[in-house]
Amino acid sequence: DAGVTQSPTHLIKTRGQQVTLRCSPKSGHDTVSWYQQALGQGPQFIFQYYEEEERQRGNFPDRFSGHQFPNYSSELNVNALLLGDSALYLCASSLVSGGEAYGYTFGSGTRLTVV
Amino acid sequence: GEDVEQSLFLSVREGDSSVINCTYTDSSSTYLYWYKQEPGAGLQLLTYIFSNMDMKQDQRLTVLLNKKDKHLSLRIADTQTGDSAIYFCAENLGYSTLTFGKGTMLLVSP
Repeated sequence: DAGVTQSPTHLIKTRGQQVTLRCSPKSGHDTVSWYQQALGQGPQFIFQYYEEEERQRGNFPDRFSGHQFPNYSSELNVNALLLGDSALYLCASSLVSGGEAYGYTFGSGTRLTVV
Repeated sequence: GEDVEQSLFLSVREGDSSVINCTYTDSSSTYLYWYKQEPGAGLQLLTYIFSNMDMKQDQRLTVLLNKKDKHLSLRIADTQTGDSAIYFCAENLGYSTLTFGKGTMLLVSP
């Protein structure tokens, strides 16, 4: 049973460019959440997708956007990249039941470096 | 506020017990979690505790929750060198989003 898979594993981009990160949730999960983990920090919640809609959003600018597809996979897009966007981007999947999400499982992350 | 705080570093000898502490601020959190992160890797769920519990034991791991003081601890018995990693405490807020602490680096020496 595959867990959460993220691609690519590493990425180098130039300031001002745009980037798309991808996530496939664990089998049976229907909800995808994205987190940003800067070096030496804990993960920070970006947003969560459920039923192809953004369900909740953290304190991130509109440059960060996402999408969830009918097969529950998800993309994170970041426009106009800044040096400060360099981080490990983590995807987590879960299953919603009774309004709560269960079985939170994280992927290994995508390491984004902006130069 | 929604800050989760942890001490940054803990060093123990192999075979000793390790205790990692965490304080959280939101009393409405339903679940509290402990995650482990090894270098270059994602987050591995170690254990979690429901907010109406005081203690949970899972093999070498013991979680203690003091809701009055909003204090959570993780005890690792018989700590091994393979336990060296960063440990994150996290609380589950609305819509099951997690708020993490900055992590505690555990270093286990032989």
